[in-house]
Amino acid sequence: AQSVSQHNHHVILSEAASLELGCNYSYGGTVNLFWYVQYPGQHLQLLLKYFSGDPLVKGIKGFEAEFIKSKFSFNLRKPSVQWSDTAEYFCAVKIGTASKLTFGTGTRLQVTL
Amino acid sequence: GAGVSQSPSNKVTEKGKDVELRCDPISGHTALYWYRQSLGQGLEFLIYFQGNSAPDKSGLPSDRFSAERTGGSVSTLTIQRTQQEDSAVYLCASSPYRGWANTEAFFGQGTRLTVV
Repeated sequence: AQSVSQHNHHVILSEAASLELGCNYSYGGTVNLFWYVQYPGQHLQLLLKYFSGDPLVKGIKGFEAEFIKSKFSFNLRKPSVQWSDTAEYFCAVKIGTASKLTFGTGTRLQVTL
Repeated sequence: GAGVSQSPSNKVTEKGKDVELRCDPISGHTALYWYRQSLGQGLEFLIYFQGNSAPDKSGLPSDRFSAERTGGSVSTLTIQRTQQEDSAVYLCASSPYRGWANTEAFFGQGTRLTVV
């Protein structure tokens, strides 16, 4: 069955540090890729998405992600994190023509001052 | 409304009782999804509606779980004879197009269900 892996379960960074969160999926066909963020006490919201074209996708709040098809990866990056980036981050994949999103288990990011 | 609305926000129920969770999607959104979020488990897909029909209900964990959608709008997720393992946050999402193609899903705040 198709799956999405997020290998970092809990990441702790100091403010201004660079961030990279891993996301890998297991499917060889067409995929649409998403990163969602859930700030404490808030609902899930879209950070960025990839459907086609430029594999480097820019999102809100300075986040970006790169789709590397050969590696089945869609890693999330930010050059300099802020305390307000403390949240849980979910990678999600839409596989082929399926209607649902398959989510990873999430990565909890804690940014310290 | 302005966003996806779910009620109640919190529900504590005794084992064996039935519960109903409600989702009001964004007006005009034809697709509606239910997910379950458990600690350390990520988001587990339950069921997908397009209009009032459910083309994909593959994620419902057992026949104790059912969902319906009426008028292409409000959806209700019903869990019968609740068990402790049903404790989780139940999330609803809606999107304006068929499936997820080239659009994002908008999530509600969720209903936190605790079975004691």
